[in-house]
Amino acid sequence: DIQLTQSPSFLSASVGDRVTITCRASQGISSYLAWYQQKPGKAPKLLIYAASTFQSGVPSRFSGSGSGTEFTLTISSLQPEDFATYYCQQVNSYPRTFGGGTKVEIK
Amino acid sequence: QVQLVESGGGVVQPGGSLRLSCAASGFTFSNYGMHWVRQAPGKGLEWVAFILYDGSNEYYADSVKGRFTISRDNSKNTLYLQMNSLRAEDTAVYYCAKKMRGDWLDYWGQGTLVTVSS
Repeated sequence: DIQLTQSPSFLSASVGDRVTITCRASQGISSYLAWYQQKPGKAPKLLIYAASTFQSGVPSRFSGSGSGTEFTLTISSLQPEDFATYYCQQVNSYPRTFGGGTKVEIK
Repeated sequence: QVQLVESGGGVVQPGGSLRLSCAASGFTFSNYGMHWVRQAPGKGLEWVAFILYDGSNEYYADSVKGRFTISRDNSKNTLYLQMNSLRAEDTAVYYCAKKMRGDWLDYWGQGTLVTVSS
């Protein structure tokens, strides 16, 4: 199984900050990676797929990059509505796996 | 608009069974593969199972293989998850999610809570 390791697991930041979250795969997964945002009590929401493609309606302050084993999600200027938990997911092979999550909280 | 509505959750004793349903609307259900994903209280997301658009193939997480069965009824636009031999560690909110091209999960239901406890 492919393991996904996210770092950091917790991040405290201020509105306007630039935030970067990393997801490392235990083996190469090309660009078969997605990022999801989840707010408390809500279902996850697809932000980025194929490592760097925006899902429709996602603000341009979100961006994704990487391929192979290392990927990043960047929020260029953190907004109040961005405080949430973020997960990466690989779709390179079964079983599909998620990273452990990164909780972004207000400093 | 796309809607996915899960139902069937509840409290069940260890060793018991439960069947979850996911009613789909707003898209051509029979054209899309579907997933179940779960989230234990206070924990991260765990992928559970996938079924192809026509039900011809299925995949499962090792943690549920042999105990859970994913199925679908395209005439009723409904996805199912039959859960047998339930364990305390199966306690979670269960989400159904629609696959888009490339297998990304573009729409999710609101989730249904399954609690396994004596």
